[in-house]
Amino acid sequence: NSKVIQTPRYLVKGQGQKAKMRCIPEKGHPVVFWYQQNKNNEFKFLINFQNQEVLQQIDMTEKRFSAECPSNSPCSLEIQSSEAGDSALYLCASSPGQNSDYTFGSGTRLLVI
Amino acid sequence: GQQVQQSPASLVLQEGENAELQCNFSSTATQLQWFYQSPGGSLVSLLSNPSGTKHTGRLTSTTVTKERRSSLHISSSQTTDSGTYLCAIDGTNTGKLTFGDGTVLTVKP
Repeated sequence: NSKVIQTPRYLVKGQGQKAKMRCIPEKGHPVVFWYQQNKNNEFKFLINFQNQEVLQQIDMTEKRFSAECPSNSPCSLEIQSSEAGDSALYLCASSPGQNSDYTFGSGTRLLVI
Repeated sequence: GQQVQQSPASLVLQEGENAELQCNFSSTATQLQWFYQSPGGSLVSLLSNPSGTKHTGRLTSTTVTKERRSSLHISSSQTTDSGTYLCAIDGTNTGKLTFGDGTVLTVKP
């Protein structure tokens, strides 16, 4: 069982709806990453945090997603207005530091209909 | 940008046979991890091996940094080893991983 906890496991939303997923990183891991794995199994980096601060994010995330990692609360990733192309597996990973090994969660599988 | 190529794309073995998976990458990797992804999607870290040789259980990884390649050897394969094996590297020293397309391993009883 992963030490990174992601919820929900599955999420179904209509186009235009908000879609929110959560991640509890492994204890003691201040670095959190979000990746999207599409139906072709291609991984796309979305955003990463160190403690509560955003380190890097791609343009799509900046424009269409809302993400945060508050202290003492789960990290979250929310799509403001879901599109069909957002259907994918969203994976959260945490790490003790930027150049350390990652631990991944089980993912949230989003289906936008 | 950074590219990671894995081979073979798929591999079918009989239980008990050994598997050899390859990962080639286009620039120096400061970090390299092998992952196993189950059919359900969960990603499990197998080995972190940016250079040299590492063993854990039935797994051995050898990374030749100068040649920008890594291998994962699975000995005495079991049906429960079936799944997708992914190689991921950090070539920019930012912590961001670039993933290969994976090798889909099927182990038959």
